[in-house]
Amino acid sequence: GAVVSQHPSWVICKSGTSVKIECRSLDFQATTMFWYRQFPKQSLMLMATSNEGSKATYEQGVEKDKFLINHASLTLSTLTVTSAHPEDSSFYICSAGLAGGQNNEQFFGPGTRLTVL
Amino acid sequence: QKEVEQDPGPLSVPEGAIVSLNCTYSNSAFQYFMWYRQYSRKGPELLMYTYSSGNKEDGRFTAQVDKSSKYISLFIRDSQPSDSATYLCAMSGGSSASKIIFGSGTRLSIRP
Repeated sequence: GAVVSQHPSWVICKSGTSVKIECRSLDFQATTMFWYRQFPKQSLMLMATSNEGSKATYEQGVEKDKFLINHASLTLSTLTVTSAHPEDSSFYICSAGLAGGQNNEQFFGPGTRLTVL
Repeated sequence: QKEVEQDPGPLSVPEGAIVSLNCTYSNSAFQYFMWYRQYSRKGPELLMYTYSSGNKEDGRFTAQVDKSSKYISLFIRDSQPSDSATYLCAMSGGSSASKIIFGSGTRLSIRP
């Protein structure tokens, strides 16, 4: 149980285009979903926290107009990287908090590797 | 000073050895302590989850938390080549209870 999927697993796009990444909780409802970014050989950095039906909370230094987050249902959150540039190339990972689960318990997706040319 | 400090390694040990991974932290409000395993190009997988101080054992893995020293450890007994991965410590608690702060990760290699 507690499986989180991400789609696509990897994507290559041209500079200036927008890319949407989906995060789904497959067998549970997630009231809260988190989006992280991980650069090579570095740790996960939290980008934003999203609660179903409300606006996402972005971490300091993360541009909310560039990284659009939508959490329309208890099983789906999307991250759209708008007007992507090569410096946005990274590994994007989502996680989902289990509704009614242990405090702070999060289940992570497999990640999406974004390469912007 | 980072909230969570973790030696990035790499750490290389022979198969069967006991592995000790450690993290220190500065925020005394942390209450939840986790260890994640991450294989290359994959998402993190939760290994151990501990609330407050103490020890927790699960198979070959033992997690220890010493809040007085702000120090946490993960021990792996009878290490296997399949244990080769990056291990991330993580913790949360305090003003934003659901936010997890990760260490930088330690790259571990088990030599057959």
